[in-house]
Order: sequence, then structure tokens, then C-alpha cells
Amino acid sequence: GENVGLHLPTLSVQEGDNSIINCAYSNSASDYFIWYKQESGKGPQFIIDIRSNMDKRQGQRVTVLLNKTVKHLSLQIAATQPGDSAVYFCAENINTGANSKLTFGKGITLSVRP
Amino acid sequence: DTAVSQTPKYLVTQMGNDKSIKCEQNLGHDTMYWYKQDSKKFLKIMFSYNNKELIINETVPNRFSPKSPDKAHLNLHINSLELGDSAVYFCASSHTIGEQYFGPGTRLTVT
Repeated sequence: GENVGLHLPTLSVQEGDNSIINCAYSNSASDYFIWYKQESGKGPQFIIDIRSNMDKRQGQRVTVLLNKTVKHLSLQIAATQPGDSAVYFCAENINTGANSKLTFGKGITLSVRP
Repeated sequence: DTAVSQTPKYLVTQMGNDKSIKCEQNLGHDTMYWYKQDSKKFLKIMFSYNNKELIINETVPNRFSPKSPDKAHLNLHINSLELGDSAVYFCASSHTIGEQYFGPGTRLTVT
């Protein structure tokens, strides 16, 4: 299953399929990006990050792709499991020195069908 | 071995009251943050402190006053609570602006 942009707030996938969650970020000066996962009743949890000098980074079952040309970030989850059901956030860091901060995108709900 | 802890987890109070939320991190991080998450799950930064010094204040009403007694603690005090303050408040910490570790959240309900 694939979510295009942030216009579809919910992504439903079959267990075992691959998931792709997309994010359009706003600032071309952003130099660092993070994906967070938030399960119900819990705080956001770090999944994977990528710096602007890279276009791909892989973790365990997850891959983040960065396309700076179109300011697009995606999170790919391989072999999606029920435990992957959560709200996912992308966040961008604008490096403004001491006032650097993360700006979070709108959350996207991933629902895994058994 | 909780990394970032917040108390209380739930807070129900009436309009006009003053309340505090406490946050502690045992990760040795220099920077701590407060975020507000609304009913649509939108997560927005409110404040950040670096080594007890206020770094970011995102146009938050001055009814909200963060206090950092030491770099392991960042408390949030809210005066004259309003209905619109109802939300989940998250504390977070980091070494740098990068990977932030979030607490479990405090669900504030103002009636």
C-alpha cells in the first residue's frame, strides 16, 4: 500500500505487504529528517533518520528515502506486521544554530489488516 | 529504567485553575522540550531549554511558564487554564536537535 502526500490520513495494508508512507516537507534549507512512530497512548518513538547529504538509509525492515529536488521523504516498511499499526510522523530540522528545532508533519495512521 | 518520565499521566481540572506537569530525563541530555499534541494528533513544539536556558518559545501564551531547575528536569506550569488547553503534552530530550526521546505524555482535560 502507498500513501501519496499527506492528503490521505490513513493507510491500510495487509499483513506481510510492504508499506510506503510519504511526506512532503516544507523548507529547502532543512538538513536533517526523522521518522517517528506513535502507538496509542504513548509518546513518539524514533524510527530512523537521514541527513540531507544522503538519499537513502536502511534500518531493520525500514528504509527512508529523501528526494531533495521535490522535497519529499518516504518511509518504507517491509513485511508489515500488526505491531507496525501506529501513527507515523515525519519531522524536519531547520538548522538555525541555537534555535534549531524539529517541525513535525501531520501524522499518518497505518492500519495493518490481519 | 525510564528514560523520559512525566507526571501526572492524566490531569483533569476546571477552567481557571493553575496546574503543573513535571518532566525528568535520566539520559544526560542537555536539551529538553515541551510539545503540545491536539485532538488531530498535530504535534507542535512549545519550548526548548538547553542547559537550563530557554532557547525556543513558540508564541505560547504567557500563562504557560516552563521551569528548569537543572538540566535533567523541565516542568511546565499553566495558569488560568482554558478549555483550549486540553491536549496531550509531551516532554522530550536530546543531546542535539536530532533524535529526541519523548516521554509518555500527560493528557490534560480542562472542564
